Amino acid sequence: LAKTTQPISMDSYEGQEVNITCSHNNIATNDYITWYQQFPSQGPRFIIQGYKTKVTNEVASLFIPADRKSSTLSLPRVSLSDTAVYYCLVKRGQGRRALTFGSGTRLQVQP
Amino acid sequence: EPEVTQTPSHQVTQMGQEVILRCVPISNHLYFYWYRQILGQKVEFLVSFYNNEISEKSEIFDDQFSVERPDGSNFTLKIRSTKLEDSAMYFCASSEVGTGAGSPLHFGNGTRLTVT
Repeated sequence: LAKTTQPISMDSYEGQEVNITCSHNNIATNDYITWYQQFPSQGPRFIIQGYKTKVTNEVASLFIPADRKSSTLSLPRVSLSDTAVYYCLVKRGQGRRALTFGSGTRLQVQP
Repeated sequence: EPEVTQTPSHQVTQMGQEVILRCVPISNHLYFYWYRQILGQKVEFLVSFYNNEISEKSEIFDDQFSVERPDGSNFTLKIRSTKLEDSAMYFCASSEVGTGAGSPLHFGNGTRLTVT
């Protein structure tokens, strides 16, 4: 599976939009991009998933350019409760291969 | 919203003892997983389970570990002869189908295992 690279940490303030970019240069045709969020002492929680272009749900938006070698998770108007680790993962569109988590991006939201 | 539940939330055991960590996956899910996270480190895949057999396992999941689905609702991880380095948060997860498109993993809140 494609290796992902994302910033180790980011800081933001309440009310700002936060964009976390992940690179996955070796993504394969059948791969999807998926993002999870993890709060301290909790299990990861699925946020959003996409294949190409833009996906939006009630929590976030995911932007994927045409070459799919990167993706950007966009969190609108963050609050203190969005402080967490955000993981970008690439997963095969078929089959049963388990998800592999990297180090993620630690987002700290300040008041 | 249905949840994956794990018990106990915290388990303390002595080195060399056996522990069983328990999980109740979401009821209509078919795939089950165990992950672990050593404090301050990555979430590491241990094993996946489907149709009453191991589907995939990592190099961490050696003979010390075993999984079982003893009935229609529980999914357990047994760790034999625990070592200090087994101290970690263990997460159970389930998914409706395999981790192909459209089937996210749902994680429980974990069992913190402390080996003394």
